Amino acid sequence: EVQLVESGGGLVQPGGSLRLSCAASGFAFSNYEMNWVRQAPGKGLEWVSQISSGGKTIYYTDSLKGRFTISRDDAKNSLYLQMNSLRAEDTAVYYCTRSQCSSTSCFRDYWGQGTLVTVSS
Amino acid sequence: QSVLTQPPSVSAAPGQKVTISCSGSSSNIGNHYVSWYQQLPGTAPKLLIYDNNKRPSGIPDRVSGSKSGTSATLGITGLQTGDEADYYCGTWDSSLSAYVFGTGTKVTVL
Repeated sequence: EVQLVESGGGLVQPGGSLRLSCAASGFAFSNYEMNWVRQAPGKGLEWVSQISSGGKTIYYTDSLKGRFTISRDDAKNSLYLQMNSLRAEDTAVYYCTRSQCSSTSCFRDYWGQGTLVTVSS
Repeated sequence: QSVLTQPPSVSAAPGQKVTISCSGSSSNIGNHYVSWYQQLPGTAPKLLIYDNNKRPSGIPDRVSGSKSGTSATLGITGLQTGDEADYYCGTWDSSLSAYVFGTGTKVTVL
């Protein structure tokens, strides 16, 4: 059974940093692209970042470039999101997702339960 | 601001059909497959449709997807109270080099 379990969320002050982790199990982690998707309270889904299998190709949503860094450790079956210079508008539930992508197809087939990040003083 | 536009809400009586539209452009829907996600209240999203019209294992055939040009449509027939949820379309956008989600549609069973 595919499982994605996020951790590392919590309350952080504006300007602070946080590192989210996602522990994957039940599939060959190293073979898949992985993503972070977030959802602000009462709002829609916002894709944050994607990292390819092997970690060589990385994409970010434009508004977050330079502040967030995605990474993976295939030996530990884990995905990470380092978030710096956090702002109130980064408050959201952050979901770890597995994706399957080709030149014309890209979908998120498994989602974790999410971890809440609250940025507030 | 999302590049994929969905109606904010749709509703129908139990047993009836609802359709949800997702409008985009040539850089996203026009040249990429579309997927759909269901988010039940208080839960994580779940994949409902991928590659425009394919259903993952466990998704009933009363759920369907289609695409034409730069728009996609999700259909749910035989509506049940358990279908009350938020629904999002999603696809890759070549111009943005980013994955994009639709604005989301809330389905209400009357």
